Amino acid sequence: EPEVTQTPSHQVTQMGQEVILRCVPISNHLYFYWYRQILGQKVEFLVSFYNNEISEKSEIFDDQFSVERPDGSNFTLKIRSTKLEDSAMYFCASRGSGPLEDGYTFGSGTRLTVV
Amino acid sequence: GESVGLHLPTLSVQEGDNSIINCAYSNSASDYFIWYKQESGKGPQFIIDIRSNMDKRQGQRVTVLLNKTVKHLSLQIAATQPGDSAVYFCAENIAGGSYIPTFGRGTSLIVHP
Repeated sequence: EPEVTQTPSHQVTQMGQEVILRCVPISNHLYFYWYRQILGQKVEFLVSFYNNEISEKSEIFDDQFSVERPDGSNFTLKIRSTKLEDSAMYFCASRGSGPLEDGYTFGSGTRLTVV
Repeated sequence: GESVGLHLPTLSVQEGDNSIINCAYSNSASDYFIWYKQESGKGPQFIIDIRSNMDKRQGQRVTVLLNKTVKHLSLQIAATQPGDSAVYFCAENIAGGSYIPTFGRGTSLIVHP
């Protein structure tokens, strides 16, 4: 079964450093998403991406965040200057162009720890 | 406030019992709902979905009920097994938008052998 792959599985970084979280969506999917989940809390939407541009973003997705699809397979989330409160699980998801019932597929996440 | 929320943060059941996990939503424009299961250290996994033109949908051992009048969604798991232990989230998608799942807070289901 096709999977969304995220790397690394765990990233530890110092406050103020830049991090790039990587995702390889399912190959024929067209819609891409980033979510985050702070420990013990709900999964929060960050940004959606379609046709090589951001289609929607939440209030969380401020200027320190950016997304990119640098080639035909990768989808990245960059955090420019990490803060302690950025520590969370970050999930990538993708969806095809078919009906919604075809489903969103989530990756296993990257655990980001900012120290 | 949250547009999607759950009544019970933790539900403990015995193996073999039926489980019911509830979810309230407040956005009447939502027309598509999904239940996800999240095991420890993993991403959300699709369980079952339902469109707003339905009030019930059944899968394998799971049933989702939708009551649009009171904006309530429930997930019923029959003959709960220890492998069902996880956090369960409902998510709503708003019609006319980019169909971005908006997650509720989650309920932790603990199944005792």
